[in-house]
Amino acid sequence: AQSVAQPEDQVNVAEGNPLTVKCTYSVSGNPYLFWYVQYPNRGLQFLLKYITGDNLVKGSYGFEAEFNKSQTSFHLKKPSALVSDSALYFCAVRDGYAGKSTFGDGTTLTVKP
Amino acid sequence: DAGVTQSPTHLIKTRGQQVTLRCSPKSGHDTVSWYQQALGQGPQFIFQYYEEEERQRGNFPDRFSGHQFPNYSSELNVNALLLGDSALYLCASSLGDSGGNTIYFGEGSWLTVV
Repeated sequence: AQSVAQPEDQVNVAEGNPLTVKCTYSVSGNPYLFWYVQYPNRGLQFLLKYITGDNLVKGSYGFEAEFNKSQTSFHLKKPSALVSDSALYFCAVRDGYAGKSTFGDGTTLTVKP
Repeated sequence: DAGVTQSPTHLIKTRGQQVTLRCSPKSGHDTVSWYQQALGQGPQFIFQYYEEEERQRGNFPDRFSGHQFPNYSSELNVNALLLGDSALYLCASSLGDSGGNTIYFGEGSWLTVV
């Protein structure tokens, strides 16, 4: 079985400050990890993914994520937050066989001016 | 390049009725998955279709069924609707069914059961 935990329901940061949204996972095989963002009343937009290779993955809109195998974590980061980054963020995991992606419950990011 | 499109965007049904939701995958994609997102929760996997066959299924009852057509579009059918079926239903597509492939989501269909 695979699972994802996003330990923070809410993250608040000031504009211009760095942000981190946390994610830990559990999967039986090698993990494929994804981050998505959801704006109100919209679908999910893909930000970035980790498949293999470099542990630091860069994605859309200046976001990046760091894969840590020993801590089974895949935290989303951005060096300088924007007010427009305020949204709901989901971490997802998939094992080697596709089909089912398991999502966390989401973290609401609020960036204040 | 058209993304994943879903219809209808909103609908209201009565308990016990049946509903059909439709999805056209992103151009070039051949694999379609359906997810249910209840309010305040992350998406839950319903099932995936590849080569017109259901390849994997989540923990949803048989009231939830689907179909994939030769043009890769897909339908989700829910019979005997319950109040608890009220949710955002998301369709996602990818090229192939490999685990590392990115899945792209549509805007969803909001279903309200009254």
